[in-house]
Amino acid sequence: AQSVTQLDSQVPVFEEAPVELRCNYSSSVSVYLFWYVQYPNQGLQLLLKYLSGSTLVKGINGFEAEFNKSQTSFHLRKPSVHISDTAEYFCAVFNDYKLSFGAGTTVTVRA
Amino acid sequence: EAQVTQNPRYLITVTGKKLTVTCSQNMNHEYMSWYRQDPGLGLRQIYYSMNVEVTDKGDVPEGYKVSRKEKRNFPLILESPSPNQTSLYFCASSSYPTGAGANVLTFGAGSRLTVL
Repeated sequence: AQSVTQLDSQVPVFEEAPVELRCNYSSSVSVYLFWYVQYPNQGLQLLLKYLSGSTLVKGINGFEAEFNKSQTSFHLRKPSVHISDTAEYFCAVFNDYKLSFGAGTTVTVRA
Repeated sequence: EAQVTQNPRYLITVTGKKLTVTCSQNMNHEYMSWYRQDPGLGLRQIYYSMNVEVTDKGDVPEGYKVSRKEKRNFPLILESPSPNQTSLYFCASSSYPTGAGANVLTFGAGSRLTVL
């Protein structure tokens, strides 16, 4: 069985400040890792994914994430956020034909 | 345009009245899946389908049925809806999700269901 824990449910941040969203997963086998974003009243879209290779993954809109196998983590970062980054962010783990999501982290960017 | 289309987008119904939420994709994807989204719980998988006539339960299948008679369609059926099925539902699809080519899910816009 696999599970995903997003350690922060709400992250308020000022515009142009950095942000880090934490994600830990548990799985007994190799997994694929994803971060999705959901803007208000919209579906989910992919930010980035880790399948194999380099542990630092770059995604869209200036986001990046680092896969740490020993700590079973996949934290998402952005060095400078914009108002338009206000959204809910979901970490997800794919294994054995199932994609499991974390509970989500709501990021609110303030001017 | 490549997309996943769900209908209806919004629905209010009453307990026990059967309903179907349709899902259609135009990308020739093998894999399709249904999720429900509830505050504080994220997205939970209801059912998924690896291909035509191949379906399996996700984490929260109770009270739901699915079918996959055609590759493009994957309807979600609530035979006797109850208030605890009030939720936001998402359909998603991808090409065959195994191996190094594990692909990204394309999500529909969501269907907000209220059961009174």
